[in-house]
Amino acid sequence: GENVEQHPSTLSVQEGDSAVIKCTYSDSASNYFPWYKQELGKRPQLIIDIRSNVGEKKDQRIAVTLNKTAKHFSLHITETQPEDSAVYFCAASKGIWGNNRLAFGKGNQVVVIP
Amino acid sequence: DGGITQSPKYLFRKEGQNVTLSCEQNLNHDAMYWYRQDPGQGLRLIYYSQIVNDFQKGDIAEGYSVSREKKESFPLTVTSAQKNPTAFYLCASSLTRTGNYGYTFGSGTRLTVV
Repeated sequence: GENVEQHPSTLSVQEGDSAVIKCTYSDSASNYFPWYKQELGKRPQLIIDIRSNVGEKKDQRIAVTLNKTAKHFSLHITETQPEDSAVYFCAASKGIWGNNRLAFGKGNQVVVIP
Repeated sequence: DGGITQSPKYLFRKEGQNVTLSCEQNLNHDAMYWYRQDPGQGLRLIYYSQIVNDFQKGDIAEGYSVSREKKESFPLTVTSAQKNPTAFYLCASSLTRTGNYGYTFGSGTRLTVV
């Protein structure tokens, strides 16, 4: 099955700086790559996702890049704010009808220092 | 509350007891999933269901059972065969058939063995 790994496990950044989290995946058939944000005691929420036919996607201060050849994708957060502090999970799936089970990474704790 | 409801929020189980966790969605989503979250382990897939009356084992199905008799409901039973059931359980759903593969998560059930 798919194996997703995240690096680093913990990341501390100064407010206003950028944060980058990288994930690698093992199954070359994976086509859908979402990122979830989980604040303490709350449910994971989808913040951005990308399909394999796109190399980069942006939404305000967050962006995701995908390198299918190297089988890795990254989350970029610019101008970090205290409310960006959370655990971020990357995931991968084949993203097709009948097979959309997501394999998640172990999560990355991001701490934004005011 | 996001269209997917899990109950109860907290659950205590005695050794040797079976317990059932409820998951209900009113999003008209086809697929539903159960994940287990342990500290430092990310989200691990227990069972998933793409359509009514059909479900498949995930990566850690041993000691768990599910049913999908209605599109809206996907209850999870934690049986006495599950040796380490204390964890945070998350239910999710996705529409999938329209090309929307993102998951919506419930707020979770925290199960503790006493």
